[in-house]
Amino acid sequence: DIQMTQSPSSLSTSVGDRVTITCQASQDISNYLNWYQQKAGKAPKLLIYAASNLETGVPSRFSGSGSGTDFTFTISSLQPEDIATYYCQQYDTFPDNFGQGTQLEIK
Amino acid sequence: QVQLVQSGAEVKKPGASVKVSCRTSGYTFTNYGITWVRQAPGQGLEWMGWISPYNGNTNYAQRLQGRVTMNTDTSTNTAYMELRSLRSDDTAVYYCSRGGDSLAYWGQGTLVTVSS
Repeated sequence: DIQMTQSPSSLSTSVGDRVTITCQASQDISNYLNWYQQKAGKAPKLLIYAASNLETGVPSRFSGSGSGTDFTFTISSLQPEDIATYYCQQYDTFPDNFGQGTQLEIK
Repeated sequence: QVQLVQSGAEVKKPGASVKVSCRTSGYTFTNYGITWVRQAPGQGLEWMGWISPYNGNTNYAQRLQGRVTMNTDTSTNTAYMELRSLRSDDTAVYYCSRGGDSLAYWGQGTLVTVSS
């Protein structure tokens, strides 16, 4: 199985900050990587697919990059509504494992 | 619009089985797979498996092999996930989602509580 290592597990941030989350795959997954946002009590929401493509309707302050084994997710200027947990997920090979998640908190 | 509506919360005793349904609408059911994901309280997302409504092909997470069955009913555009021999650590919210790669549409989640 492909393991996804996401860091950090939590991040204390301020509104307006630039936020960066990384995700490392245990083997080459090309660009078969998604990023999701999950708010408390809600289903996950797809933000980025194929490593760098913004899902329709998602604000442009969210972005993703990377290929192979190393990926980065960025929020250019954190907004209050962005407080959530973020997950990466690979879909190169079954099982389509998720990273452990990164919980954002307001300082 | 695409919708996935799941069945209601369940409480089960250890050793029992649970079957969660996921009724879909707003798209051609056989054109997209269905992925099941669960989330234990306070924990992350766990991929459980995938099924193709087109041909019934499945792929299950190895740790659930032998206890999980996924199937679909193309006459009602509904997907089902059955988990057997329930244990306390199966307590979780179970989600269905459309697709097998990028999961853009999700059900609302079904809480399954396993408790004696």
